[in-house]
Amino acid sequence: NAGVTQTPKFQVLKTGQSMTLQCAQDMNHNSMYWYRQDPGMGLRLIYYSASEGTTDKGEVPNGYNVSRLNKREFSLRLESAAPSQTSVYFCASILPGGREMYTEAFFGQGTRLTVV
Amino acid sequence: AQSVTQLGSHVSVSEGALVLLRCNYSSSVPPYLFWYVQYPNQGLQLLLKYTTGATLVKGINGFEAEFKKSETSFHLTKPSAHMSDAAEYFCAVSDGSWYGGATNKLIFGTGTLLAVQP
Repeated sequence: NAGVTQTPKFQVLKTGQSMTLQCAQDMNHNSMYWYRQDPGMGLRLIYYSASEGTTDKGEVPNGYNVSRLNKREFSLRLESAAPSQTSVYFCASILPGGREMYTEAFFGQGTRLTVV
Repeated sequence: AQSVTQLGSHVSVSEGALVLLRCNYSSSVPPYLFWYVQYPNQGLQLLLKYTTGATLVKGINGFEAEFKKSETSFHLTKPSAHMSDAAEYFCAVSDGSWYGGATNKLIFGTGTLLAVQP
């Protein structure tokens, strides 16, 4: 059971280049999230998808786009990378439900992105 | 909208001492609350969660937290710190169930780095 899988694990981009971070979960979860983690700032929500077919902005969406390709996959795209987007990116998923059934978020291992 | 405040970005305790990591939240609806731990260069692991029921929640590795609605707090404690507890700890809040129109956003605090001195 793989859980949440992110690819790639490491990436170096030049300013202005584009790339897509991939995330897939095999737990049949409805909700998926993308976060960035920077020192002293915790995890900040970039975009989330409460269910297949919906996406919404989080706290720091500028410079990013997302696609909920199907129930399993949720990708994050940087159209024109900037040094300020150097960060560690985490994907997460949840199976939401009533209070008795609500699961915690399961996280991928992260993507360390450097923009030079 | 939800938010989380973690007081103290760095906390240092001696091995065997009480661990207390503070978390206050803001939520317009009854919250779902979580504590996660992150070891260096790793992902996040759930320590414990509050969704319903007993307000004192026990988690893994001897940690527990108490949901206090009147104080909008969810502080994490452990009676006796161990060297292996050194890590970064994150408090998180969600407005909960996807059913009923909640956004199901999951918002994290800025984290507390716990150091354990021998």
